[in-house]
Amino acid sequence: EAAVTQSPRNKVAVTGGKVTLSCNQTNNHNNMYWYRQDTGHGLRLIHYSYGAGSTEKGDIPDGYKASRPSQENFSLILELATPSQTSVYFCASGDPGGSQNTLYFGAGTRLSVL
Amino acid sequence: QQQVRQSPQSLTVWEGETAILNCSYEDSTFDYFPWYWQFPRESPALLIAIRPVSNKKEDGRFTIFFNKREKKLSLHITDSQPGDSATYFCAAWGNSGTYQRFGTGTKLQVVP
Repeated sequence: EAAVTQSPRNKVAVTGGKVTLSCNQTNNHNNMYWYRQDTGHGLRLIHYSYGAGSTEKGDIPDGYKASRPSQENFSLILELATPSQTSVYFCASGDPGGSQNTLYFGAGTRLSVL
Repeated sequence: QQQVRQSPQSLTVWEGETAILNCSYEDSTFDYFPWYWQFPRESPALLIAIRPVSNKKEDGRFTIFFNKREKKLSLHITDSQPGDSATYFCAAWGNSGTYQRFGTGTKLQVVP
């Protein structure tokens, strides 16, 4: 069974603080993704990665950084958190070109920036 | 810009009716269209998917109809059940196949 694990599940941060969201996958997928979900916007891509050492900007990268130190781990970093970054963040893994091109999502991290 | 659009934003049907969820896209190079469903407080999960080589994909009560010329597709849920109540996302793979773009979702409620 595909597995994507996110931590923490819930986070309260202060404006201007640094926040790191972590993601671990045991699917051995090359690609990993960070999405945020907000009412009325669906799932929007922040950053993604093709493999260890690579990070690419998605559709809404401003205010976020990403790090892929290994095949299994992909982090999302908010250097200076702002209230507008209050959202639910989903990590996903997948391999394009595979038989299904399916994304497997983690359980999500609910972030509140006060 | 929203490259994948969904309508309606919300939909309520009675149990046993057919629910029809619509999706359209702009980029003609998209070549894989998955639908995900998401239950409250859970993460999205793949429901059914189609490639443009087909104009129909069926899986039990769920059917995708695909119109490549008009860049439109729809998800039909026949004999809708209360357990089908969820938010449904239409998605499409990006130009180079490196990432999926999602629509804004349709929230379906099936009333007993």
